[in-house]
Amino acid sequence: NAGVTQTPKFRILKIGQSMTLQCAQDMNHNYMYWYRQDPGMGLKLIYYSVGAGITDKGEVPNGYNVSRSTTEDFPLRLELAAPSQTSVYFCASSGGQGVTQYFGPGTRLTVL
Amino acid sequence: EDKVVQSPLSLVVHEGDTVTLNCSYEVTNFRSLLWYKQEKKAPTFLFMLTSSGIEKKSGRLSSILDKKELFSILNITATQTGDSAVYLCAGLDSGGSNYKLTFGKGTLLTVNP
Repeated sequence: NAGVTQTPKFRILKIGQSMTLQCAQDMNHNYMYWYRQDPGMGLKLIYYSVGAGITDKGEVPNGYNVSRSTTEDFPLRLELAAPSQTSVYFCASSGGQGVTQYFGPGTRLTVL
Repeated sequence: EDKVVQSPLSLVVHEGDTVTLNCSYEVTNFRSLLWYKQEKKAPTFLFMLTSSGIEKKSGRLSSILDKKELFSILNITATQTGDSAVYLCAGLDSGGSNYKLTFGKGTLLTVNP
């Protein structure tokens, strides 16, 4: 049982480049989340999804896009990367809202 | 299994009152305690507490963690109607290869004018 998996683990981007952070879960969870964590700060919600085909913005959605075509996958797209997007990105899933969320190992992204 | 218990479950106050929300936790590989405010959509992050005894403040909100007694409080002074929301506390477990965030049931705060 893999839980929540994220790829890549590390990435360095140049300003203006684009990339997709992959997230997959095998727990048949309807809810999936993308967070970012800046150094010394807490988790901030970027986007979330309550099921396939349904996504909604969190606190800090600007500069990101998501899609949810299947229950298992919830990729996060960065268009026109900026240094302010340097952060650690966590994907999480849960069986409902406000219940235990299971996190992936994170992707450390640096934009130079 | 990790457990987070919040009290009270609901609270009704008048504008200008001060409130204290409680959160106790049992988290196996405890890393941090997080507070969120939830209105109509997904939770909005308020605080992350990792060290005991250090108060974090943001405007009228403040929070502190006691790692010896395994609890945290969230204080809101001079409450306003816009503070009406569900306040969620969550324990972050860093055991294993993945993190796990366990939420309490929340405290429903209603601030009346």
